[in-house]
Amino acid sequence: SQTIHQWPATLVQPVGSPLSLECTVEGTSNPNLYWYRQAAGRGLQLLFYSVGIGQISSEVPQNLSASRPQDRQFILSSKKLLLSDSGFYLCAWSAYSGTGGYTFGSGTRLTVV
Amino acid sequence: GNSVTQMEGPVTLSEEAFLTINCTYTATGYPSLFWYVQYPGEGLQLLLKATKADDKGSNKGFEATYRKETTSFHLEKGSVQVSDSAVYFCALSDRGETSGSRLTFGEGTQLTVNP
Repeated sequence: SQTIHQWPATLVQPVGSPLSLECTVEGTSNPNLYWYRQAAGRGLQLLFYSVGIGQISSEVPQNLSASRPQDRQFILSSKKLLLSDSGFYLCAWSAYSGTGGYTFGSGTRLTVV
Repeated sequence: GNSVTQMEGPVTLSEEAFLTINCTYTATGYPSLFWYVQYPGEGLQLLLKATKADDKGSNKGFEATYRKETTSFHLEKGSVQVSDSAVYFCALSDRGETSGSRLTFGEGTQLTVNP
């Protein structure tokens, strides 16, 4: 069966520090991968999605970046965090073909102080 | 482009009350429709889905029917429990041909059920 792992679960980082959040998927090949951010009390904002190794599409301009060095690994990074980067970050995967639907990771609560 | 509009929350109900959370959508073609649930501090979980018109998705006592004529996918439950307290997201899949499926989410509806 397919599983998705996301870590760390919580993170407190100072303004200006770097960020690296990792997401890995097991039990499937060539998944579509996604990073979402959820600010407190608000909906989901799609940040990045990837349909293959090295293929990254950005939905919103920001100081975050994403990389996909392996088929089932998706990394969210920043060189210098801002206060406004605080939020709940969710990774998700979906099959390339099919009727859609995502499986989400358990999320990372990031607080920038 | 695709969009999903959800009933604004928060919604507060007493245990055993009837629940409806409205969801309407705008899309080209024939999207699949989903309801996700997010319990406090957790990621989203798929609650139910419907892939074509008149399909009814159901799970854990929740139901939603894909209504193409009204472009709606309202979530219902006959008798809610305290454990149903969560945020509920309606979503649609555009099933893009060249890039695989992508989901468009509504803003989410916070449900609180009091004992």
